[in-house]
Amino acid sequence: NAGVTQTPKFQVLKTGQSMTLQCAQDMNHEYMSWYRQDPGMGLRLIHYSVGAGITDQGEVPNGYNVSRSTTEDFPLRLLSAAPSQTSVYFCASSPRDRGPHGYGYTFGSGTRLTVV
Amino acid sequence: GQSLEQPSEVTAVEGAIVQINCTYQTSGFYGLSWYQQHDGGAPTFLSYNALDGLEETGRFSSFLSRSDSYGYLLLQELQMKDSASYFCAVTSGGSYIPTFGRGTSLIVHP
Repeated sequence: NAGVTQTPKFQVLKTGQSMTLQCAQDMNHEYMSWYRQDPGMGLRLIHYSVGAGITDQGEVPNGYNVSRSTTEDFPLRLLSAAPSQTSVYFCASSPRDRGPHGYGYTFGSGTRLTVV
Repeated sequence: GQSLEQPSEVTAVEGAIVQINCTYQTSGFYGLSWYQQHDGGAPTFLSYNALDGLEETGRFSSFLSRSDSYGYLLLQELQMKDSASYFCAVTSGGSYIPTFGRGTSLIVHP
């Protein structure tokens, strides 16, 4: 099991460029989500999905799009990069069925994005 | 909306016991989780409490009081490797997607 795989690990973009952050999980998890982490701000939810074909906005969705065409993949698209989107982005997944660990999420290793 | 409060930093010495508190405000509460994150790493899941009381997993324990909207993470026999950030997260409102606090930086001194 690879768990949650994020690519790329590092990326530098110029203002106005677009790109897609990839996230894939091989655990057949229904729930997937994207967070951004900035110093002193914790993890803020961007978008999430409770299953293939279903997505919804989180706390900070502006400037980002998502889609969930398969259970495994949940890409995050930056439409027109801005310096304010410089951050570390984490993808996470969880099974829908609540086991003894409740809704514990498995995180990917993150994408460190710099927008100049 | 949802909000969580936890201390920004806690320091302790190796071998000691430390408690990291978390208070939350939310509607439709399901449970409180704790995550650990080392510098440059990904958050890793530690524990989840849905019912009042203490859950123990090795050196780590987590407590929840639903009536007080309060929980804590207790770390015993501290080791240098426990130096990390610890996040509480609340799950509520039907989406089962956690909302995270801003994190507590734990510094363990020799």
